[in-house]
Amino acid sequence: DAGVIQSPRHEVTEMGQEVTLRCKPISGHDYLFWYRQTMMRGLELLIYFNNNVPIDDSGMPEDRFSAKMPNASFSTLKIQPSEPRDSAVYFCASSPTRLLSYNEQFFGPGTRLTVL
Amino acid sequence: KQEVTQIPAALSVPEGENLVLNCSFTDSAIYNLQWFRQDPGKGLTSLLLIQSSQREQTSGRLNASLDKSSGRSTLYIAASQPGDSATYLCAPAIRTDKLIFGTGTRLQVFP
Repeated sequence: DAGVIQSPRHEVTEMGQEVTLRCKPISGHDYLFWYRQTMMRGLELLIYFNNNVPIDDSGMPEDRFSAKMPNASFSTLKIQPSEPRDSAVYFCASSPTRLLSYNEQFFGPGTRLTVL
Repeated sequence: KQEVTQIPAALSVPEGENLVLNCSFTDSAIYNLQWFRQDPGKGLTSLLLIQSSQREQTSGRLNASLDKSSGRSTLYIAASQPGDSATYLCAPAIRTDKLIFGTGTRLQVFP
């Protein structure tokens, strides 16, 4: 398996532009997670899906952020409009549904976003 | 609210030393705890997962212990090597599907 795939790996954009980050989870995994990592705040969970349905979006910072999972093999995280404080590394992770308490998460390589 | 702290924040040691990385969490009601490794500019790699009913888990030179009641986990690295240099993150699961990440320990092992 290729693991979790994210694109693009790097994104540089100007303030006010729309940014779309993409993720392909590991085939057969039921859970998909979006995280953001910054030096100041560390690694934070933004939103996660189970069977394509959003379960918890309490970590989404503002209405400028939205996430979708139209099918089991694809998810997007969109920021519109983007701001310099959105600059961070965004990770996608997926997890299979196994026995309770054993849901190991597998991370993608991340997208480094810079908003100028 | 679950808060996770890792000590030390940074560690620099010569090759061959046995290491202890500490993780403490405020809420002992966890389902499991995962240890991850993160290389600079890269994603996270899962190292070990300890279920709440377990006390330790081993993989090669790595051993992780869990004491739920005291809110602590420890990652032992035996005979450290330069290739072990990375940031190590612990993450207890407050639900079966939600991890809370610690602040990380940045490890450097020099030859």
